[in-house]
Amino acid sequence: KNEVEQSPQNLTAQEGEFITINCSYSVGISALHWLQQHPGGGIVSLFMLSSGKKKHGRLIATINIQEKHSSLHITASHPRDSAVYICAVRGPGNQFYFGTGTSLTVIP
Amino acid sequence: NAGVTQTPKFQVLKTGQSMTLQCAQDMNHEYMSWYRQDPGMGLRLIHYSVGAGITDQGEVPNGYNVSRSTTEDFPLRLLSAAPSQTSVYFCASSYGGERPFFGQGTRLTVV
Repeated sequence: KNEVEQSPQNLTAQEGEFITINCSYSVGISALHWLQQHPGGGIVSLFMLSSGKKKHGRLIATINIQEKHSSLHITASHPRDSAVYICAVRGPGNQFYFGTGTSLTVIP
Repeated sequence: NAGVTQTPKFQVLKTGQSMTLQCAQDMNHEYMSWYRQDPGMGLRLIHYSVGAGITDQGEVPNGYNVSRSTTEDFPLRLLSAAPSQTSVYFCASSYGGERPFFGQGTRLTVV
């Protein structure tokens, strides 16, 4: 069973396009995280959300606690945004549950 | 402030060999954890620790051992490597429920 489901699994976009990645979860959570993993493997945290919406540059993350759903949006996408984006939730006992990731490729 | 330092970056082992993956953080985080990442699967929790002297098993603990003698260090030991342990391993740390910080990862191949 997957506590965290992401869609799409793979996404190819033209530079400048608006991108949305979705995340649904089935466990009660204290927070939801969006992570970015670049080729070469390092993982960095982009956002931590417990309600509402957060914005950082061209990235926007939203969460709907009632619907157990979050979205990550990238406006004016750029080739340097190419990476794997991972949704993670912090559930009972402070344990993390991870989605399988969305592989994004932005073509110039 | 180096964050989370994980070594080595790459390792090849023969079946049956043992090794230790090192993880150290300098942020005074009480929560540390080890994950493995396999193609088509999300990060899976191997072991975790909520403080020095306290460790617990995650989703896939078999074949791995951990200890937490200090707040800073959380090594992962492979007792007798098997090909099924070929994976990319990540160490992570966090303070309470705050954002996690990840090491750079270790790509392990067991032949």
